[in-house]
Amino acid sequence: GDSVTQMEGPVTLSEEAFLTINCTYTATGYPSLFWYVQYPGEGLQLLLKATKADDKGSNKGFEATYRKETTSFHLEKGSVQVSDSAVYFCALSVNAGGTSYGKLTFGQGTILTVHP
Amino acid sequence: NAGVTQTPKFRILKIGQSMTLQCAQDMNHNYMYWYRQDPGMGLKLIYYSVGAGITDKGEVPNGYNVSRSTTEDFPLRLELAAPSQTSVYFCASRGAGGYEQYFGPGTRLTVT
Repeated sequence: GDSVTQMEGPVTLSEEAFLTINCTYTATGYPSLFWYVQYPGEGLQLLLKATKADDKGSNKGFEATYRKETTSFHLEKGSVQVSDSAVYFCALSVNAGGTSYGKLTFGQGTILTVHP
Repeated sequence: NAGVTQTPKFRILKIGQSMTLQCAQDMNHNYMYWYRQDPGMGLKLIYYSVGAGITDKGEVPNGYNVSRSTTEDFPLRLELAAPSQTSVYFCASRGAGGYEQYFGPGTRLTVT
């Protein structure tokens, strides 16, 4: 079945540090890939997405590139801020002849804490 | 627009009680989903719906029921609550033609 594996957390960084959160996946069909962010006490929000191989999703300084050859979608940001402290989820949705109904398969989430 | 709304925000149930978690969306989305989020885990799909009158099981449907009588509403019913159902529950919706899901703020449920 489909699955998503994220790097073990939590991750603690100082402000302006470089961030990488690793994400790899296994899927049948042709997945779209997503990063969702969950701020404390809130629901999930879509951060960025990529729908085909070699696409780069970007938003708010975050980037991730859909690498089909390595089945990866690592999240990066060049300079994190305290306000980036949140839980980050990698997820996929497979276009498998319409039978998946766009269901999301999530990784376990990575807690990011950024200190001033 | 309100987006996806959920009520209540918090609830404590005793073992064996029942309750309904409410979810509504005002975006005219066909697809709606219920997830649960356990500590340190990703979200698991409980049930989903592709339109009014059509629902199907997700990964972890045991102990839950859903209905979809209108496009806007997708309530989740817990029968005979058990401690294993202590979790945060999220409702989400998606429009046709895309894979982006919009999430509600969640309901934190404790069963003691």
